[in-house]
Amino acid sequence: DGGITQSPKYLFRKEGQNVTLSCEQNLNHDAMYWYRQDPGQGLRLIYYSQIVNDFQKGDIAEGYSVSREKKESFPLTVTSAQKNPTAFYLCASSPPKVPYEQYFGPGTRLTVT
Amino acid sequence: AQSVTQLGSHVSVSEGALVLLRCNYSSSVPPYLFWYVQYPNQGLQLLLKYTSAATLVKGINGFEAEFKKSETSFHLTKPSAHMSDAAEYFCAVRGNNFNKFYFGSGTKLNVKP
Repeated sequence: DGGITQSPKYLFRKEGQNVTLSCEQNLNHDAMYWYRQDPGQGLRLIYYSQIVNDFQKGDIAEGYSVSREKKESFPLTVTSAQKNPTAFYLCASSPPKVPYEQYFGPGTRLTVT
Repeated sequence: AQSVTQLGSHVSVSEGALVLLRCNYSSSVPPYLFWYVQYPNQGLQLLLKYTSAATLVKGINGFEAEFKKSETSFHLTKPSAHMSDAAEYFCAVRGNNFNKFYFGSGTKLNVKP
């Protein structure tokens, strides 16, 4: 089955540690996105990538980093510089001919204590 | 600039009653508008989209939305609520940059038996 997978579902880390969230898609989509979701605030764009080896900052990129070495994969690293990392993180992708449609993964809930 | 406002963070209806979730947008370009549904601890699923064709858009699960340019609105409706409709709903608008989407803060729908 085609789709977007995010792992793990729940992630716990101590403050000061970097942590990497996985996002993989087998939909052959070119564009991929990372969003952060906080209660009552909707989704905010962290980073997006239109093609391999290229990515752009979204609205809240500070304290995060990404890579896009393969079309299928777009991992997000939450660094110790992110002041409030506890949140629900969602990965999405868009097909090349229908770029306004986004398909979302199931999300990773990160808790930092 | 693009933005989305969802009126009412919580809406409660009885099973079988009309569902109306409100969304107003601002956009400096002809908008592409979307409604997504999210069940607890899951990703977002596209309900319907407006992409400058018919102003009344039908989506999945019996939902529809009407684009009203004069009111800058894109309200989501369903004639008869079902218990399975209880979820959080997000309105979104595509930005000038075709790879950026702006989400509202969400409306949680509660369906009472």
